[in-house]
Amino acid sequence: GAGVSQTPSNKVTEKGKYVELRCDPISGHTALYWYRQSLGQGPEFLIYFQGTGAADDSGLPNDRFFAVRPEGSVSTLKIQRTERGDSAVYLCASSFWRDTEAFFGQGTRLTVV
Amino acid sequence: KQEVTQIPAALSVPEGENLVLNCSFTDSAIYNLQWFRQDPGKGLTSLLLIQSSQREQTSGRLNASLDKSSGRSTLYIAASQPGDSATYLCAVRPSNTGNQFYFGTGTSLTVIP
Repeated sequence: GAGVSQTPSNKVTEKGKYVELRCDPISGHTALYWYRQSLGQGPEFLIYFQGTGAADDSGLPNDRFFAVRPEGSVSTLKIQRTERGDSAVYLCASSFWRDTEAFFGQGTRLTVV
Repeated sequence: KQEVTQIPAALSVPEGENLVLNCSFTDSAIYNLQWFRQDPGKGLTSLLLIQSSQREQTSGRLNASLDKSSGRSTLYIAASQPGDSATYLCAVRPSNTGNQFYFGTGTSLTVIP
């Protein structure tokens, strides 16, 4: 596709459930980022992939959060045992290389009830 | 850790005015700085990317400047239009890690017809 695609656009889940959020980056982009944005705040870094490997996962808040990018393209952010505090907009971005222009998807709004 | 501040937090101007949005950062060791626009409930749209070696970038009615040594960037919007109403975010990418953007909390702009 022409841009970064994220699915689903909205996700409502019950506390304690498992969720997966998908990101399809721009074709050919080797760098992929996940960010989380709470209302009225700027995005906060979660994890960065260069190719298939997680080069920096220092932003993941705890071990309930995990992300993969097995073929160096599509990435999935996985959240186990969701908590109400996980409610936020999860944004994905990609860039050709780590210091080139980054393009963001439309985000997935996660609501944990 | 890099801290990014955007002033003002909110701005309301009549249509046709020229305006300046400010972004400051604490660590001048950066690869680049990127300005984004975010419409309510949407993802981030890239506006301009300035590399650390550049002083400014222009796109249409937008002009972004960078003074790396003083840790400042400005986004100048000429002849503002109601369609410019959005939140504007700046993000810096440190050169010591280069793995993530650090975002400000944004400036919410309203252009009154």
